[in-house]
Amino acid sequence: EAQVTQNPRYLITVTGKKLTVTCSQNMNHEYMSWYRQDPGLGLRQIYYSMNVEVTDKGDVPEGYKVSRKEKRNFPLILESPSPNQTSLYFCASSDYRIPLGEQYFGPGTRLTVT
Amino acid sequence: SQQGEEDPQALSIQEGENATMNCSYKTSINNLQWYRQNSGRGLVHLILIRSNEREKHSGRLRVTLDTSKKSSSLLITASRAADTASYFCATLADTGNQFYFGTGTSLTVIP
Repeated sequence: EAQVTQNPRYLITVTGKKLTVTCSQNMNHEYMSWYRQDPGLGLRQIYYSMNVEVTDKGDVPEGYKVSRKEKRNFPLILESPSPNQTSLYFCASSDYRIPLGEQYFGPGTRLTVT
Repeated sequence: SQQGEEDPQALSIQEGENATMNCSYKTSINNLQWYRQNSGRGLVHLILIRSNEREKHSGRLRVTLDTSKKSSSLLITASRAADTASYFCATLADTGNQFYFGTGTSLTVIP
């Protein structure tokens, strides 16, 4: 089954404790992206990657890091989480065509930073 | 921010009625997509319309695009209780590979 998986699904952590949210897709998609969703603000793009070793900042990259060492994986790293990073996070992937088409979304990771 | 806006923020209708939601965006686009999200879950792609298209249909969905007004609308005909969800528009900017989402419309269809 074609899918995007994220782990963990729920995470409660404390300020400053480094964490990683994993994202993996099995569709051989070149394009992958991370979003955060906050009430009243919709989804905002954090980082995206056009292919292995190619990453770019989205609208709200501050406080986040990503890496793309393999095509299928695109982890999101919070080196020193703060309470304002409490949010619902989604990973998505898309088949790279010019132009980009539909995105496939993971189930989401609900992060709480206390 | 290049984020778009959707209108209305919330919409409540009776089953069988049509639902219309609107999306406004700020930049020139390559395409515009609509997504559906059931409460707290991942988004599901509904339909894509390219910047050179004005209208597109898919089942009970009809999407229009007016690039001169930087706006789009999504019409769901003969709504069902199962259509209850949040709906988001997303634009792909023609200058890059970034997606910008609207703030969403929460649709409730009452059986």
